[in-house]
Amino acid sequence: KAGVTQTPRYLIKTRGQQVTLSCSPISGHRSVSWYQQTPGQGLQFLFEYFSETQRNKGNFPGRFSGRQFSNSRSEMNVSTLELGDSALYLCASSPGTSGSADTQYFGPGTRLTVL
Amino acid sequence: GESVGLHLPTLSVQEGDNSIINCAYSNSASDYFIWYKQESGKGPQFIIDIRSNMDKRQGQRVTVLLNKTVKHLSLQIAATQPGDSAVYFCAESRSKLIFGAGTRLAVHP
Repeated sequence: KAGVTQTPRYLIKTRGQQVTLSCSPISGHRSVSWYQQTPGQGLQFLFEYFSETQRNKGNFPGRFSGRQFSNSRSEMNVSTLELGDSALYLCASSPGTSGSADTQYFGPGTRLTVL
Repeated sequence: GESVGLHLPTLSVQEGDNSIINCAYSNSASDYFIWYKQESGKGPQFIIDIRSNMDKRQGQRVTVLLNKTVKHLSLQIAATQPGDSAVYFCAESRSKLIFGAGTRLAVHP
């Protein structure tokens, strides 16, 4: 099975712009979660989508949003970019049917740099 | 607040030695724990998991121990190899993954 794929791998934007990141989960997985990784804050949960619905949300401002399509692919969007949004954005997929015992598998991430 | 923490930010070992990476978690109601390995430029890679109804689980060269009494996890890597050099995270799964800060494992020849 192919793993989780994320595009693009690298992105450079300027403050105030918006950005859309894409994630394709492992075939058959219906849950997609997004995480932000920074040196200062570590890995932090953004949100989770399951069957095209946001099922769980972390403590991030409304500038961070996401969606999931019927084929389980997911996108996340960050509007009005700030310097502090520079981070590695990771997508993880899981079957989505085992509750807290679902094992999540990560993609390689998208490295976003905001100038 | 919620947290899963690690005692040692950096661990240096000699090739062939055994490594032990420790982790503390805060929520006694958590019932599923995962160890991930992250190499430079890559996403976290699943290593091994354990459910709260177990206190030990073994994989290939890795063992995870869970002590629910003191809310402590450890990852043991046998015969550590240079390819094991990476940052290791423990994660507590409660509808989302709550990660610790990570421990960097450096393996020296």
